[in-house]
Amino acid sequence: AQSVTQPDIHITVSEGASLELRCNYSYGATPYLFWYVQSPGQGLQLLLKYFSGDTLVQGIKGFEAEFKRSQSSFNLRKPSVHWSDAAEYFCAVGLGGTSYGKLTFGQGTILTVHP
Amino acid sequence: DVKVTQSSRYLVKRTGEKVFLECVQDMDHENMFWYRQDPGLGLRLIYFSYDVKMKEKGDIPEGYSVSREKKERFSLILESASTNQTSMYLCASSFPGTPPDTQYFGPGTRLTVL
Repeated sequence: AQSVTQPDIHITVSEGASLELRCNYSYGATPYLFWYVQSPGQGLQLLLKYFSGDTLVQGIKGFEAEFKRSQSSFNLRKPSVHWSDAAEYFCAVGLGGTSYGKLTFGQGTILTVHP
Repeated sequence: DVKVTQSSRYLVKRTGEKVFLECVQDMDHENMFWYRQDPGLGLRLIYFSYDVKMKEKGDIPEGYSVSREKKERFSLILESASTNQTSMYLCASSFPGTPPDTQYFGPGTRLTVL
């Protein structure tokens, strides 16, 4: 079965600093990979997704992620963090075929932004 | 604009009560999902449905059931609520297909069982 690990439970950065959130997956075939963000008191919103092709994908709000097959990773990055980026971030892996679009989520990383 | 709504943002129930959580989507999505979210555990899939009256167990179905009588509505039922079901419950919906489509989430229901 597929699994997703987000090694960092909580990350704190200063506003304007760069950010990298780690995500490692375990899956035998090429995975479909997602990053979602959950702002306080809200549901999850899709930031970006990777299915195939260019391994560097761009998302909303200035985020990008890079798929590295050799490392089984899909890390999320942002060059300059804004205070409004404070939220919880979830990496997820999906299957194709008869999986009905199910996703397996990581444990989440809480991002705190200091002024 | 895409919308998934959940019937309550906050709910307080007593042990042993029957609890209904309702989810409605307006996007004509075939797939609908119920997750529970707990700190440090991320989102865990309880049940999902890929069509009206069709349902499949997720990873943690024990103590829960679901109902989907109409395409736009997916209900989660706690037959006899217990304190270990205190959690945040999130509903989501998506189109079917490969690769998997984006899931759209509701705002969540925070359930407390006393």
